Amino acid sequence: DAKTTQPPSMDCAEGRAANLPCNHSTISGNEYVYWYRQIHSQGPQYIIHGLKNNETNEMASLIITEDRKSSTLILPHATLRDTAVYYCIVRVHRWSWGKFQFGAGTQVVVTP
Amino acid sequence: NAGVTQTPKFRILKIGQSMTLQCTQDMNHNYMYWYRQDPGMGLKLIYYSVGAGITDKGEVPNGYNVSRSTTEDFPLRLELAAPSQTSVYFCASRQGRGEKLFFGSGTQLSVL
Repeated sequence: DAKTTQPPSMDCAEGRAANLPCNHSTISGNEYVYWYRQIHSQGPQYIIHGLKNNETNEMASLIITEDRKSSTLILPHATLRDTAVYYCIVRVHRWSWGKFQFGAGTQVVVTP
Repeated sequence: NAGVTQTPKFRILKIGQSMTLQCTQDMNHNYMYWYRQDPGMGLKLIYYSVGAGITDKGEVPNGYNVSRSTTEDFPLRLELAAPSQTSVYFCASRQGRGEKLFFGSGTQLSVL
């Protein structure tokens, strides 16, 4: 699976959009981009994933650049409950491929 | 629907003791995972399983053993506990080739 690079931390004001970058310059054509978050001491929670088109769900939007070498997770209206570590993961979709590995992530702090 | 259940939630072990961390899921998922998370760090994959009777090593398997005799259960065994195994352990599962991971609430283990 391709390696990802994320900033170690970022702050965001409550009510504003939070834009979380992820660099995956070695991504290959069959690798998807996944985002998870981990609120303090809890198990990680799935947010969203995509291949090349932009995706949106009730939690967030995922913007993937045309060359697929980077992506941005957007939390449209950050709340205090969005304070968490956010993980960007790149991996293939294959029945036989079991591994699902996490990096260090970005610590996001939403302030009032 | 209970999802992924881990027991115990907390445990203190003495050096050299053994124990089994239990993980069970009721979603009929094929894939199951064990991660550890040291304070302030990301998740490290210990072992994973792609189905009953099939397991494989992750990034940090030394000092641990697993088995998968049923689809539902994926216990993690520590044979000779060491202080370096003090960590929070998370179990996770997923259904198919690319679907999202579901995590348990974690087991906090201290080895003294």
